Amino acid sequence: ILNVEQSPQSLHVQEGDSTNFTCSFPSSNFYALHWYRWETAKSPEALFVMTLNGDEKKKGRISATLNTKEGYSYLYIKGSQPEDSATYLCAFSGSARQLTFGSGTQLTVLP
Amino acid sequence: DAGVIQSPRHEVTEMGQEVTLRCKPISGHDYLFWYRQTMMRGLELLIYFNNNVPIDDSGMPEDRFSAKMPNASFSTLKIQPSEPRDSAVYFCASSLDQTGVETQYFGPGTRLLVL
Repeated sequence: ILNVEQSPQSLHVQEGDSTNFTCSFPSSNFYALHWYRWETAKSPEALFVMTLNGDEKKKGRISATLNTKEGYSYLYIKGSQPEDSATYLCAFSGSARQLTFGSGTQLTVLP
Repeated sequence: DAGVIQSPRHEVTEMGQEVTLRCKPISGHDYLFWYRQTMMRGLELLIYFNNNVPIDDSGMPEDRFSAKMPNASFSTLKIQPSEPRDSAVYFCASSLDQTGVETQYFGPGTRLLVL
């Protein structure tokens, strides 16, 4: 069983604050790391997919980094807005090419 | 494209009843996945299909669960008989390929409550 862990489990921040959370995954047999954003009552939507150690991806105020040697990825949100409130899921893809999801970080941005 | 379509969006049933969840993948996607989301276990893969053929059903919890994909545009996940512990959100997702970097596109999910 692959162990993909996310921390913290939940997070409350004030509007305008910057925040970050972590995804830990097996450092062996790494193929790709996906980040998804899941708003309540909606479908999870893909944010990024990263494959190379040192990869950095950015979409607006959201960015992500990848360290495959130590098995972690960070997701950063700069200047959080209430519309950023969602659960952020990471998913590890290894040699089997299937996605193993973490349990998510639930972000609430307070106005 | 309308995206991945799932029905029903909500289902409330009584223990022992049969439940059928439906999914229409994005046209042209060769892979279809069924996931279950629970508080305890997060998002877990139940089964996936490639070109309508089940490839890996190792995530299907018990014989009470079965899934079919009779054609490229339709799949069902059936639970018979249903039990309260089956209560969860069931997602269907599809993708063009399964290279590991391919994005999976999720449907809106079916929220199942078994009383």
